[in-house]
Amino acid sequence: EAQVTQNPRYLITVTGKKLTVTCSQNMNHEYMSWYRQDPGLGLRQIYYSMNVEVTDKGDVPEGYKVSRKEKRNFPLILESPSPNQTSLYFCASGASATTDTQYFGPGTRLTVL
Amino acid sequence: GEDVEQSLFLSVREGDSSVINCTYTDSSSTYLYWYKQEPGAGLQLLTYIFSNMDMKQDQRLTVLLNKKDKHLSLRIADTQTGDSAIYFCAEPNNFNKFYFGSGTKLNVKP
Repeated sequence: EAQVTQNPRYLITVTGKKLTVTCSQNMNHEYMSWYRQDPGLGLRQIYYSMNVEVTDKGDVPEGYKVSRKEKRNFPLILESPSPNQTSLYFCASGASATTDTQYFGPGTRLTVL
Repeated sequence: GEDVEQSLFLSVREGDSSVINCTYTDSSSTYLYWYKQEPGAGLQLLTYIFSNMDMKQDQRLTVLLNKKDKHLSLRIADTQTGDSAIYFCAEPNNFNKFYFGSGTKLNVKP
């Protein structure tokens, strides 16, 4: 089954404690991206990746890092989480950025205390 | 960044038509998309329209695109309670970034 998986689905942590949210897709997609969803703001793109070892900033990259060492995986790293990063995070993948359907993961709800 | 705007709420009665509107700023987008998010779930592609089209119909869904006014709309005919969800319009730009609207929460009353 074609899918995008994220782990964990729920996470409560404290300020400053490094964390990683994993994202994996099994569709051999080149394009992957991370979004955060906040009430009234819709989805905002954090980082995206056009292919292995190629990543770029989206609209709200501050406080986040990503890596793309393998095509299927695109982890999101919060080196020192802060309460304003409490949000719902989605990973997505697609064959390309602009002309193909983006497939979304189920979301990770992160709370930073 | 780009600006994609939607109204936040829409309430309709079952069987009526729903019209969800969206305005965008980047006129270079090749495609414009509508996504649906059901409670507790990720986003699923609902439909899309190629930028050189004015209208696209797909069963109960009709997408209208007015490029001059940068206005996109989604019409759902014979709205059902199962259509209750948040609907997002989205446009990618030529720099491979995706921009989503704030989402319109559709409430369908029986």
